[in-house]
Amino acid sequence: EVQLVQSGGGLLPPGGSLRLSCATSGFTFSSYAINWVRQAPGKGLEWVSTISGSGDTTYYADSVKGRFTISRDNSKNTLYLQMNSLRAEDTAVYYCAKDTNILVASWFDPWGQGTLVTVSS
Amino acid sequence: DIQMTQSPSSLSASVGDRVTITCQASQDISNYLNWYQQKPGKAPKLLIYDASNLETGVPSRFSGSGSGTDFTFTINSLQPEDIATYYCQQYDHLPITFGQGTRLEIK
Repeated sequence: EVQLVQSGGGLLPPGGSLRLSCATSGFTFSSYAINWVRQAPGKGLEWVSTISGSGDTTYYADSVKGRFTISRDNSKNTLYLQMNSLRAEDTAVYYCAKDTNILVASWFDPWGQGTLVTVSS
Repeated sequence: DIQMTQSPSSLSASVGDRVTITCQASQDISNYLNWYQQKPGKAPKLLIYDASNLETGVPSRFSGSGSGTDFTFTINSLQPEDIATYYCQQYDHLPITFGQGTRLEIK
């Protein structure tokens, strides 16, 4: 069974930093791109970032480019999202989601359980 | 960015009804369109990929169609467990974009 289990999250002040993790199992991790998608409270889904299976290629939404860094450790089957210079508008539930493609984002299945990041003073 | 416009934004229907949600892309995205179901407090779940392909394990009452800019998602014979918000998503061009969602309620 494919599983994505997230950790991290919490309450941070504006300007703070945080690293989210997404531990995976049940599939050949390095063969798939992985994505981060977020959802602000009561709002819709927003794609944040994608990393290729090898980790060599990354993509970001303009809203997080230069502040967030996606990475992966293929020896640990784990995905990360380093979030710096956090803003109030980054407050959201963050989901990791396995892609069906190795290089670029396509469709996301399955998703992690989500982790709440709250940025507030 | 490609804008995805879903309609309606909310919908109330009775058990057994046929429900249709539309998604319009701001430019041609071929068939690079997916549909997700999100129940309250849960992660989204993939239902349909590439506009019309039913994900394994998803009930056959769910279906999708369309190509280019206009897409349709249908639930035949609505069930109580289908209460959720539904999202379309395009992956033809980065950034990946989602529709604003359609909240489905049971009458």
